[in-house]
Amino acid sequence: DIQMTQSPSSLSASVGDSVTITCRAGQTISSHLNWYQQRPGQPPKLLIYGGSSLQSGVPSRFGGGGSGTHYTLNISRLQPEDFATYYCQQRYDSPWTFGPGTKVEVK
Amino acid sequence: EVKLVESGGGLVRPGRSLRLSCAASGFIFHDYGMHWVRQAPGKGLEWVSGITPNGDDRDYADSVKGRFIISRDNGKQSLYLQMNSLKPEDTAFYYCVKETTREGEFDPWGQGTLVTVSS
Repeated sequence: DIQMTQSPSSLSASVGDSVTITCRAGQTISSHLNWYQQRPGQPPKLLIYGGSSLQSGVPSRFGGGGSGTHYTLNISRLQPEDFATYYCQQRYDSPWTFGPGTKVEVK
Repeated sequence: EVKLVESGGGLVRPGRSLRLSCAASGFIFHDYGMHWVRQAPGKGLEWVSGITPNGDDRDYADSVKGRFIISRDNGKQSLYLQMNSLKPEDTAFYYCVKETTREGEFDPWGQGTLVTVSS
């Protein structure tokens, strides 16, 4: 199985800040990497697919990058609705594993 | 609008069975792979099982292999998860998820149904 790790596990930030979340895979996953946002009491929502492609309807302040085993999710100009938990997921090989999540909290 | 609505969750004793259903609408169901993903309360996401558009191929996480069976009825636009020999560690919200035809990402997700395994 491909193990996925995320750092940090949580972070505190203010509205207007920019933050970066890192996701690492246990082996190369060739940008088959997706990012999801989950707000409390809601199902996850797709933000980024293929490592860097923005899902339709997602604000452009969200951006993804990386390659090989190392990927990042950047959120610029944090808005109140962005305080949530973010998960990465690999779609390179089954089982389709998720990272443990990064909780973005209000400072 | 694509909509996925799960049902069938509830409280069940360890060792018993439960069948989850997912009613799909707003898209051509038989064109898409479908999955179940679960989330224990307050925990992270775990992929459980997936099935190809025509139902010929099915895949399972090791944690449920041999106990859970995924199936679909394309005529009824429905996805199912038969869960047997349930364990307390199967307690979770179970989400029905549609797979895209781009990179295979999961979009959208249903609202989920809660399964609680407890004596």
